[in-house]
Amino acid sequence: GAVVSQHPSRVICKSGTSVKIECRSLDFQATTMFWYRQFPKQSLMLMATSNEGSKATYEQGVEKDKFLINHASLTLSTLTVTSAHPEDSSFYICSAREVDSNQPQHFGDGTRLSIL
Amino acid sequence: AQSVTQLDSHVSVSEGTPVLLRCNYSSSYSPSLFWYVQHPNKGLQLLLKYTSAATLVKGINGFEAEFKKSETSFHLTKPSAHMSDAAEYFCVVSDRGRNAGNMLTFGGGTRLMVKP
Repeated sequence: GAVVSQHPSRVICKSGTSVKIECRSLDFQATTMFWYRQFPKQSLMLMATSNEGSKATYEQGVEKDKFLINHASLTLSTLTVTSAHPEDSSFYICSAREVDSNQPQHFGDGTRLSIL
Repeated sequence: AQSVTQLDSHVSVSEGTPVLLRCNYSSSYSPSLFWYVQHPNKGLQLLLKYTSAATLVKGINGFEAEFKKSETSFHLTKPSAHMSDAAEYFCVVSDRGRNAGNMLTFGGGTRLMVKP
């Protein structure tokens, strides 16, 4: 089945550091990828929709300068948390949608980001 | 607009007994509906999906769900719980007709606990 690889799985770093998270579709092409944030014991919250070759669409309240998204190819999207602070600590999950959009989204295993 | 309500934030069952996780939805269009499972510090795994075919949908690991339009419900069931079923479960709706890969709206999640 379709596999989405997310890397790294866990990051611990100091406040002020920028952190890049990668989301790759391993065996299919993904025209659209989605980035979610999940707080402890809560549901997933959509942050942005990433379309290959164009600018990402951010949800209301999500700072585009804080969370930089790049979707340079049909198999890779990256989320960069710039100048991270402790309040950015969270679980970040990506998903990818196949070119045949009748298929459901496939999710990565998530990245646990901890800012000290 | 679309929304999903998972009626129980926590469900506790004994191993070998039936599981019922409740989900109600609202959608302006004919919805696609999904159940995903999330184990700790992991991404989401698709259990099953409804996209307009049979109203009783069978998924992986013995789970199934029935789409009831009159009740706007999509409850998840399993005849006999296993310890490995303990996890967080999300009911998810996708709007815009039958396009299963479009933007997803998540329910708040239900934590299933299985007692030995």
